[in-house]
Amino acid sequence: QVHLVESGGGVVQPGESLRLSCAASGFSLRNYGMHWVRQAPGKGLDWVAVISHDERFESYAGSVKGRFTISRDTSKNTLYLQLNSLRAEDTAVFYCARDNSNFFDLWGPGTLVTVSS
Amino acid sequence: EIMMTQSPATLSVSPGERATLSCRASQSVSTKLAWYQQKPGQAHRLLIYGASTRATGIPARFSGSGSGTEFTLTISSLRSEDFAVYFCQQYYNGWAFGQGTKVEI
Repeated sequence: QVHLVESGGGVVQPGESLRLSCAASGFSLRNYGMHWVRQAPGKGLDWVAVISHDERFESYAGSVKGRFTISRDTSKNTLYLQLNSLRAEDTAVFYCARDNSNFFDLWGPGTLVTVSS
Repeated sequence: EIMMTQSPATLSVSPGERATLSCRASQSVSTKLAWYQQKPGQAHRLLIYGASTRATGIPARFSGSGSGTEFTLTISSLRSEDFAVYFCQQYYNGWAFGQGTKVEI
């Protein structure tokens, strides 16, 4: 079976950093582009970042560009999202999702990031 | 930037009834439109892609239609497990989601 499981969320203060992980099982990250999507409390889904299957392409939402970095470790079959200079408005559940012809065919259950002083 | 608008925000229906959810794009997205189901504590589930193609394992009571800027997700006869939040997403130019429609009893 194919699965994605996020981890690394927690409570941090404004300006601090956090690294989220997304462990993939049942398939190889080498073969798929991967995304991060977030959902603030009571709000809709916001696309955050994408990395292509060959790591040649990355793209970020304007609200996180320069602060967040997407990466992956194929030896661990794990996707990452480095979150720097966190703000209160970054508080959200973060989901990783697998790209299939640009729609998302597999999601993880999410990990909660809370930015609060 | 393409903006997605879903309506209604909340849809109150009874089991067995038909539910019709709408999604509008601020500019044409052709048929690059997907629908997802979200339930508390569960991973999002892909229902429809290409505006009208059901994903693997999705029951036939779910159907999608539309192209350009107007799209519809129809659940023909609601079952208890269908009460959830539904999101549309365009993937024509980047990726953007609607704000969701909550289908409740």
